[in-house]
Amino acid sequence: GAGVSQSPRYKVAKRGQDVALRCDPISGHVSLFWYQQALGQGPEFLTYFQNEAQLDKSGLPSDRFFAERPEGSVSTLKIQRTQQEDSAVYLCASTPPGSHEQYFGPGTRLTVT
Amino acid sequence: AQTVTQSQPEMSVQEAETVTLSCTYDTSESNYYLFWYKQPPSRQMILVIRQEAYKQQNATENRFSVNFQKAAKSFSLKISDSQLGDTAMYFCAFMKAFGNEKLTFGTGTRLTIIP
Repeated sequence: GAGVSQSPRYKVAKRGQDVALRCDPISGHVSLFWYQQALGQGPEFLTYFQNEAQLDKSGLPSDRFFAERPEGSVSTLKIQRTQQEDSAVYLCASTPPGSHEQYFGPGTRLTVT
Repeated sequence: AQTVTQSQPEMSVQEAETVTLSCTYDTSESNYYLFWYKQPPSRQMILVIRQEAYKQQNATENRFSVNFQKAAKSFSLKISDSQLGDTAMYFCAFMKAFGNEKLTFGTGTRLTIIP
């Protein structure tokens, strides 16, 4: 079956622009996670949804970052007024009910110039 | 808060040999899960193996096995009969058993298999 998909795969934004990154989890997966992976580093947790409820957003680095999952399926990570330090790969992962295994998407590489 | 440490930024090994990647972690939790993820150059993160902290038996998945030492908070990955396709970044990760199921990752080990 289809895995987790993310779009766009690559995004170049000028500093100050707003961007929206999309994640389509595997059908039926309840939990959805966003991670930020800086170059040469491990992924770092941003936020977590269970269905449409955002249960933890403690990893969001600033109030410029906003995530939503209004119908409990597709999720969007929005970054307002992008800064150079926002340049990273943004990974999305989803988990089926009753499992602790996270299935990752291919990521969106964001470059802020 | 949990921390995960991978002290080997890069490793290389000849094809068909065995290699061990190290990982240590720090937590006050008694129940948790540990994972090794593989991230090939294409970037898609793939689960290699997982270990439940309450299980004493070390997990194995074909050529991949772990050495889980709970008291020492150590969780190493052994790859036997290494293959060219094993070339990738390997991340050790921690997850609490209850509550937020976020993963806490180490900084990774870049493994290169030499033909």
